[in-house]
Amino acid sequence: DTGVSQNPRHKITKRGQNVTFRCDPISEHNRLYWYRQTLGQGPEFLTYFQNEAQLEKSRLLSDRFSAERPKGSFSTLEIQRTEQGDSAMYLCASSPSFSLTQETQYFGPGTRLLVL
Amino acid sequence: AQKITQTQPGMFVQEKEAVTLDCTYDTSDQSYGLFWYKQPSSGEMIFLIYQGSYDEQNATEGRYSLNFQKARKSANLVISASQLGDSAMYFCAMREGFGTGTSLTVIP
Repeated sequence: DTGVSQNPRHKITKRGQNVTFRCDPISEHNRLYWYRQTLGQGPEFLTYFQNEAQLEKSRLLSDRFSAERPKGSFSTLEIQRTEQGDSAMYLCASSPSFSLTQETQYFGPGTRLLVL
Repeated sequence: AQKITQTQPGMFVQEKEAVTLDCTYDTSDQSYGLFWYKQPSSGEMIFLIYQGSYDEQNATEGRYSLNFQKARKSANLVISASQLGDSAMYFCAMREGFGTGTSLTVIP
């Protein structure tokens, strides 16, 4: 399977703990995106990378959130000192295009986080 | 900034009928793209169709077509010959974000 993969698929943690999610994009896709989706809502943009460079960060991405994409391949999203409000589905997507307009994004299955 | 508005929280359609899901957008960009995604209850986000702002023809992909009206800033999704498997959430999106979605239920 050459689609976008995310690990873990589910994560339950206690408030205050740190969590890290991993995303492996489709091979050779140069753009990678992170979104957060809460129940009944559309995905909210968090950040995106072109290769290893983090080009844009949403104001939703507080200083407790950090994302990396070393070597322009897989990416990690870390949440420090988790809060109950962080409970959501975290979606990763990748895109092959250099064009700012035609950016068909291929999504992974998501990581569902529950903070107790 | 780009903004997407979907005003239909839920829609019902009879199997084999066509249905239109509304999407309006706002952007100051001269060149932009519009996307539609389907999200079934299983959670995965599935790309359906893309429309570029300079494309002269409305996009079509199988049973999906996009009714693009640039002057009105609308990009409605038309699903023809609805099937039970079309029941899902549908999201209109631009590069900077997604709409709130429309829940489509296909009735047998």
